Amino acid sequence: KAGVTQTPRYLIKTRGQQVTLSCSPISGHRSVSWYQQTPGQGLQFLFEYFSETQRNKGNFPGRFSGRQFSNSRSEMNVSTLELGDSALYLCASRDWAGNYGYTFGSGTRLTVV
Amino acid sequence: GNSVTQMEGPVTLSEEAFLTINCTYTATGYPSLFWYVQYPGEGLQLLLKATKADDKGSNKGFEATYRKETTSFHLEKGSVQVSDSAVYFCALSDPSTGNQFYFGTGTSLTVIP
Repeated sequence: KAGVTQTPRYLIKTRGQQVTLSCSPISGHRSVSWYQQTPGQGLQFLFEYFSETQRNKGNFPGRFSGRQFSNSRSEMNVSTLELGDSALYLCASRDWAGNYGYTFGSGTRLTVV
Repeated sequence: GNSVTQMEGPVTLSEEAFLTINCTYTATGYPSLFWYVQYPGEGLQLLLKATKADDKGSNKGFEATYRKETTSFHLEKGSVQVSDSAVYFCALSDPSTGNQFYFGTGTSLTVIP
């Protein structure tokens, strides 16, 4: 079974630009969540999608948005990038029962310069 | 509300030493509990889990027991190896809040030969 695939692995953007990150969940998993990880703040929850609907949302500004497609693939978008958005962005998928926990991708390392 | 508290790191141990990483939680419902491990440059990997009180999760020599009376899920390993050097995250998933995940801040472990 293929794991959670995130693309790209590394990205360098300039302040003010926007970026789109992609996540393909494990086959059969309909729930996809996104996390931001930084040395100072640790793991912070961005949002969770299930069947194309956002079910939970963390405490991030509106510049951070996401969506999920009918095949469960998900994208997150960050507009008007700031230096503080530099982080490792992790995608995770799970079956909706959730008892088996998340399976995480390897992440996208975003650097804003 | 729900939260997870982990012991502060970093932790440095000699090879073959005994490891304990403390984790306590608060939850409104009856959560499942998890330990995740993150190796440098990678995403999080599920290490072990327990879904109800008194369950013991185990994997790769690591163990943790779900203690409802002390609201704890401490991670232990009898003899650590250099390859165990990583960051360890305790987490809970609470069905009463839609199985939303709550992560601890992570504990960095370094094992020296």
